[in-house]
Amino acid sequence: KQEVTQIPAALSVPEGENLVLNCSFTDSAIYNLQWFRQDPGKGLTSLLLIQSSQREQTSGRLNASLDKSSGRSTLYIAASQPGDSATYLCAVNSNYQLIWGAGTKLIIKP
Amino acid sequence: DVKVTQSSRYLVKRTGEKVFLECVQDMDHENMFWYRQDPGLGLRLIYFSYDVKMKEKGDIPEGYSVSREKKERFSLILESASTNQTSMYLCASSRSGAGREAFFGQGTRLTVV
Repeated sequence: KQEVTQIPAALSVPEGENLVLNCSFTDSAIYNLQWFRQDPGKGLTSLLLIQSSQREQTSGRLNASLDKSSGRSTLYIAASQPGDSATYLCAVNSNYQLIWGAGTKLIIKP
Repeated sequence: DVKVTQSSRYLVKRTGEKVFLECVQDMDHENMFWYRQDPGLGLRLIYFSYDVKMKEKGDIPEGYSVSREKKERFSLILESASTNQTSMYLCASSRSGAGREAFFGQGTRLTVV
């Protein structure tokens, strides 16, 4: 059974730092992996989607990597800003369903 | 841009009421999903649909039913609302086939009193 883990559960860093969020999964047989952002009390915004055949995807200051063989993905945020404060969720598309991590709550201090 | 719209942001209902949560998507997606999100439990799949009039149970279907009469609309029904159904409800859609990107609505915060 696929399980998805996100570490750390919470992270607080000063503005301007580069940071890495981690996502690991137990079964490498996946179709893709998707990173989402969720602001308090709101829905999910899709950030990046990496297909199983890809190694990384970039969007602005965000870069997501995928190492399927080791069951890991990272979300790299460059030059963090207070507006990046949110909960970041990763989800693995496995057997037509999304399997979710518990999220990393990120706080960027001005 | 894909748009998934949930009919209400906030909803307060009484125990025993029949509750309808509506979700509409504008990109002709075949797949639609209902999740609930609770602190410490993450997102859990309630029901999903691959086509009009089709539905499949997710991980926690008890106490819920769904309806998909038109491709763009997927309704979640709480037959008799209970306090343990107080939660954030999230609707999503995607194209058919494996490996498709999922798009979410803004969520409905339901409180059952």
